[in-house]
Parts: sequence; C-alpha cells; structure tokens
Amino acid sequence: DAGVIQSPRHEVTEMGQEVTLRCKPISGHDYLFWYRQTMMRGLELLIYFNNNVPIDDSGMPEDRFSAKMPNASFSTLKIQPSEPRDSAVYFCASSLAGVFVNEQFFGPGTRLTVL
Amino acid sequence: AQTVTQSQPEMSVQEAETVTLSCTYDTSESDYYLFWYKQPPSRQMILVIRQEAYKQQNATENRFSVNFQKAAKSFSLKISDSQLGDAAMYFCAYRSAGTGTASKLTFGTGTRLQVTL
Repeated sequence: DAGVIQSPRHEVTEMGQEVTLRCKPISGHDYLFWYRQTMMRGLELLIYFNNNVPIDDSGMPEDRFSAKMPNASFSTLKIQPSEPRDSAVYFCASSLAGVFVNEQFFGPGTRLTVL
Repeated sequence: AQTVTQSQPEMSVQEAETVTLSCTYDTSESDYYLFWYKQPPSRQMILVIRQEAYKQQNATENRFSVNFQKAAKSFSLKISDSQLGDAAMYFCAYRSAGTGTASKLTFGTGTRLQVTL
C-alpha cells in the first residue's frame, strides 16, 4: 500500500486566496483525521471522519476552515479566505477501527505558507 | 479533557548511549492507549511504540522501550544504543480506548532529541 497520500506537499499562497489541501487515506481505513502543526500550538486535531461522516469538528479554528469527505478514498481541507496565521504543516492520518489499538497512519504533510 | 505533558523541550545523547524521554498525562479514564511518535526532519510522523493501559508489562520494540507507570500517569521512552538516525522530534500521545469520539489522539508538545558523535 502507498500509505496516506497528501497533495500538494508545499503550497505558497497570498492572503485572501482559497487553499485546498487533499488527502487519500489508506485503502480500507474508515477513520480520517486532519491535524495542524505549528511551533506555537504543536499538533492539533482539526476534524475527523468515520465512514465519511464528520464526527468531531471542534478543533476547526473558524468558519474559514471546512473539510469534506465525499467518499472513502478522498478528503479535502479548504481554507477560504486564507490568512498568514494559517501557515502551518497540515497532516492527514487514517486508521481502521477494530485493528489493534486503531493505530493512526500519517501522511507526509502539506506545508502551507500564506504571505 | 485529557492533557499530555512533555517537560523536556530538548535532549541530547551520545551515539551508543541510552536516553530517556519523559511524558506525563492527565486523565480520569481507566482504559486508554499511549503512543510515542517520531518526527524526523522529513516531518513524516512515524509510530515508534504503543502501550495499552490495561497491560502491566512495558512495551518493547527493539532498541525502544517504555516505562509505563499507570498510577503516576507517567509514560517515558527509553532509547538504547542511540544511533544518529534517532535524531528527531518525539511526541507522546494519548487516545481513549473507545471508538467514535474517543478515537482522536492528544499530543504532547514534543522533545527534540539530538544525537552526537
């Protein structure tokens, strides 16, 4: 298996622009997580899905952030409009319920820079 | 809400020596899982070792082992025979044992490990 795939790996955009981050979970996994990593706040869970349904979005910072999972093999995290404080590394992770400890497998991350 | 604390922002160890990274957590739950993740400069998050709270035996994975003290809510990571490739950020993480809303990981702030010659 190719593991969790994220695209793009790097994104540089200007303030006010829309940004879309993409994630393909490991085939067969039924949980998908979006995390954000910054120096100030460390690793934070933004939202996660179970069987394509959002379960907990309490970590989404504000209405500018939205996430979708239209099918079991694809998810997007959208920021509109983007702001410089959104600059961070965004990770997607997936896991399979019922498998030992429900281990989360992380993608390589997307480094977002908002100018 | 659960919290995870890593009190050592940075640690250094000489190659071939042993180092212990500290982690404490706060929870009112009795059943949960604990993890150590490694994040090298490539920023890929890699699972190093995991521990189920109901198991008294400490987990071991090759050169990596944990000291799990449930009563003290402590979960330290010991790296033996340190290698240059062990240099990375190490994150301690907590997860409840349930499913659904309990599936999320709560991370500590990380410890940066340097390995010197």
